[in-house]
Amino acid sequence: QSALTQPASVSGSPGQSITISCTGTSSDVGSYNVVSWYQQHPDKAPKLMIYDVNKRPSGVSNRFSGSKSGNTASLTISGLQAEDEADYYCCSYADISSLWVFGGGTKLTVL
Amino acid sequence: QVQLVESGGGVVQPGRSLRLSCAASGFSFSIYGMHWVRQAPVKGLEWVAVIWHDGSNKYYADSMRGRFTISRDNSKNTLYLQMNSLRADDTAVYYCARESMGTIDYWGQGTLVTVSP
Repeated sequence: QSALTQPASVSGSPGQSITISCTGTSSDVGSYNVVSWYQQHPDKAPKLMIYDVNKRPSGVSNRFSGSKSGNTASLTISGLQAEDEADYYCCSYADISSLWVFGGGTKLTVL
Repeated sequence: QVQLVESGGGVVQPGRSLRLSCAASGFSFSIYGMHWVRQAPVKGLEWVAVIWHDGSNKYYADSMRGRFTISRDNSKNTLYLQMNSLRADDTAVYYCARESMGTIDYWGQGTLVTVSP
C-alpha cells in the first residue's frame, strides 16, 4: 500500500482538462510544500513536471499546473494532448521513517 | 546536461548480494543529495534511500533498512547501492536520482535487478 493515495486511472478527450489528486496525511503533504509530480511513459524514466506544489521546471508546458489544499495535492493538465497519455506519480517529503513517499500512480488515458 | 547512468543489475539468487553503481556527469555531484528509487514490474515507484551530499546522513525505506546500504564516492562522481539478503520482492528496476532542495529532479534510465532461483 502506497503512502500517498492517487486514483488508479483518469481519462479525458483531447482539449479537455483533467485533475489527478494525491492524498496524504499531516505527516507529509499536509505539512510540507515539497510535493512533486512525475510523468512516466512506458519503459521510460520518470520526468519531473511539477515541484514545490506548483512550480514548473524549465521546458515543461504551462498546460501542467499543481496545487494543494490540506492533505491533498492536485495535478491539473489542461488542453489534453495525445502525448500526455502516461502514468503520473506524486511524491512528498515526509517526517516519518521513510523520508520521501510516492503515490501509487495514475494512468492517464487520452480518449 | 545532467546524466545519470546506472549499472550492476542482473539476475541473482535469493539471499545473495548485488552492488549497483550510478555514474553522474554534467553537474557538481558533490553538492547534491542522491537517491535510489525502485519500480517493481508493472508497479509504482518506491523510494529506497537517500544520502546527503557529503555522505554524512543516510536514510532508508523501512522495508530496506538493514539490508541495503547507500554510499557515494564524490571523487569518482559515483553513487552506490549495496543490496544484501535479496528477496524475490526486491525484483525491480532501480533508478538513481538527483535531489535539489528536497525535489528529486533528474533520473537515470534504471537498471533491472531480478531475484530468482
